[in-house]
Amino acid sequence: IVLTQSPATLSLSPGERATLSCRASQSVSTFFAWFQQKPGQAPRLLIFDASKRAAGIPARFSGSGSGTDFSLTISSLEPEDFAVYYCQQRSNWPPEYTFGQGTKLEIK
Amino acid sequence: EVQLVESGGGLVQPGGSLRLSCAASGFTFSSYWMNWIRQAPGKGLEWVANIKQDGSEKYYVESVKGRFTISRDNAKNSLFLQMNSVRAEDTAVYYCAREGFGASPDYWGPGTLVTVSS
Repeated sequence: IVLTQSPATLSLSPGERATLSCRASQSVSTFFAWFQQKPGQAPRLLIFDASKRAAGIPARFSGSGSGTDFSLTISSLEPEDFAVYYCQQRSNWPPEYTFGQGTKLEIK
Repeated sequence: EVQLVESGGGLVQPGGSLRLSCAASGFTFSSYWMNWIRQAPGKGLEWVANIKQDGSEKYYVESVKGRFTISRDNAKNSLFLQMNSVRAEDTAVYYCAREGFGASPDYWGPGTLVTVSS
């Protein structure tokens, strides 16, 4: 399964709404997640099971979608939200992971 | 507090070997699938391998099959990656990650850098 994220780069200002997309080459299981990565840091889990926020993740982050089309929405951008975001899925069998190529969210 | 700390990275020549370790603490290590995930410099994330709780099942990305071996020692709360016949394209930061809710990697270590170069 190939995950394709769009856009590659998204330029927005603090306070704006961000919508990031991830499309799978075939229908994926419910094991779908979003990660945030800042320079020099390990990725951080934001969303799992497509729409459930991980512990400690602010409510401005939300995930939606099923089948082949998924999205991550940040309702009102904070300065600390500018980072690279990755989508990820785990197939049922064999239990292997696939990551999207990433979307860079940059300050406009 | 869940902690994962990788070690063992460094400079290795093409064709050489390296063994990465990941020390886990703050959770019941033997209850979780564990993963190795890598990131080449300036690139995206690539899953490398995972291992079931008791070590009975192991899976690998195609590009490392036959060269890398994942293993674990539940008595020592440790995860390992034996890397043999390394290639320049194996150069990356290697992360150890726990598989949590929703079969997603919920905790990651800070990573260890492996550089394959002559």
